[in-house]
Amino acid sequence: EAGVAQSPRYKIIEKRQSVAFWCNPISGHATLYWYQQILGQGPKLLIQFQNNGVVDDSQLPKDRFSAERLKGVDSTLKIQPAKLEDSAVYLCASSLAGDGIQYFGAGTRLSVL
Amino acid sequence: DQQVKQNSPSLSVQEGRISILNCDYTNSMFDYFLWYKKYPAEGPTFLISISSIKDKNEDGRFTVFLNKSAKHLSLHIVPSQPGDSAVYFCAASATASGTYKYIFGTGTRLKVLA
Repeated sequence: EAGVAQSPRYKIIEKRQSVAFWCNPISGHATLYWYQQILGQGPKLLIQFQNNGVVDDSQLPKDRFSAERLKGVDSTLKIQPAKLEDSAVYLCASSLAGDGIQYFGAGTRLSVL
Repeated sequence: DQQVKQNSPSLSVQEGRISILNCDYTNSMFDYFLWYKKYPAEGPTFLISISSIKDKNEDGRFTVFLNKSAKHLSLHIVPSQPGDSAVYFCAASATASGTYKYIFGTGTRLKVLA
């Protein structure tokens, strides 16, 4: 069974530029999560989708971050404009509906210069 | 306010011995807990879970213990192997709302010495 796919693996941009990350969850997983992991910290939830609806986006900085999951399968996370403090690994995870186990992708490492 | 704490940033253990990784939490509403292992340049990999209705869950070499009164859980790895060298994260969620929203600790780097 294929795991959670994320791209790109690495991205370097300058501050004030925009960037987008893509995630394809495990087939059949209705719930999709985006996390931000800053160096030395644990993952922090940014947004949670159930199918194509948002369940929780309370920790998403909505002035610059946006995410969508239009067809209830893959998802994109966008940052516009990026700030230096957005440098982090962005992890996507998915789970079966109602299941507590989340499966993570390899992440996208973003460096904002 | 860190609701989930892993106070040991690193731990070194000899191969074949027991590794004990600790995690403390402050929110008494947390009732479901996970442990993840993370290798460099990879995403976290699920290891083992425990619900608050249990105080122990075992899977092969991995056992998680939960002490609800102390708000403490620990992961035991016996025997430890060099391939266990990784960063370990605990995560906690309150499930009363019907969804899982995890708070992660900052991780403990385990090094198993051959």
